[in-house]
Amino acid sequence: EPEVTQTPSHQVTQMGQEVILRCVPISNHLYFYWYRQILGQKVEFLVSFYNNEISEKSEIFDDQFSVERPDGSNFTLKIRSTKLEDSAMYFCASSRTSLPFYSPLHFGNGTRLTVT
Amino acid sequence: DAKTTQPNSMESNEEEPVHLPCNHSTISGTDYIHWYRQLPSQGPEYVIHGLTSNVNNRMASLAIAEDRKSSTLILHRATLRDAAVYYCILRRFTGGGNKLTFGTGTQLKVEL
Repeated sequence: EPEVTQTPSHQVTQMGQEVILRCVPISNHLYFYWYRQILGQKVEFLVSFYNNEISEKSEIFDDQFSVERPDGSNFTLKIRSTKLEDSAMYFCASSRTSLPFYSPLHFGNGTRLTVT
Repeated sequence: DAKTTQPNSMESNEEEPVHLPCNHSTISGTDYIHWYRQLPSQGPEYVIHGLTSNVNNRMASLAIAEDRKSSTLILHRATLRDAAVYYCILRRFTGGGNKLTFGTGTQLKVEL
């Protein structure tokens, strides 16, 4: 069964550094998402992306965050200047359409980001 | 978004059925009821969804109350692998990609 893959599985970075998290969504999917989960807390929505633009974003997704689909297969999340509070598990997801009766989200297994 | 209420945790014995309840008293007519689960150290995984009628798939069954204000996820024979956090989520088509909003879910423990 096709799956969403994320790399790396664990990323350690120093505060203030830029980090890029990478995802390969399922190939015929059209909608892409990033979520994060701080240890012991809820899974939180960050951003959704369709047709090469952001379709929705949360309050967490401020100017320090950006997303890109650079080559038609990868989907990336960039954090420009990491803070300690960005430490979390970041999940990428994709869905074939946005129709809720038709298209569930498929999640990757996440990238654990540790900011020191 | 309409809110759902789930018990914080439930326990089951292996190979017994498990009924995971969810209350959503403010559900609207266009809200679909989705269930996802998150196994330890993994991303969320889709389980099942429905609108009004009961639904079955290879993983589980979803029983939806006639007034749609509650639903129950049924695992017919729990295994150790079913130990996870189960999320009941209402999903409305908003035209923008309709994100999922996760609550705290129900932590299911399965014992031998």
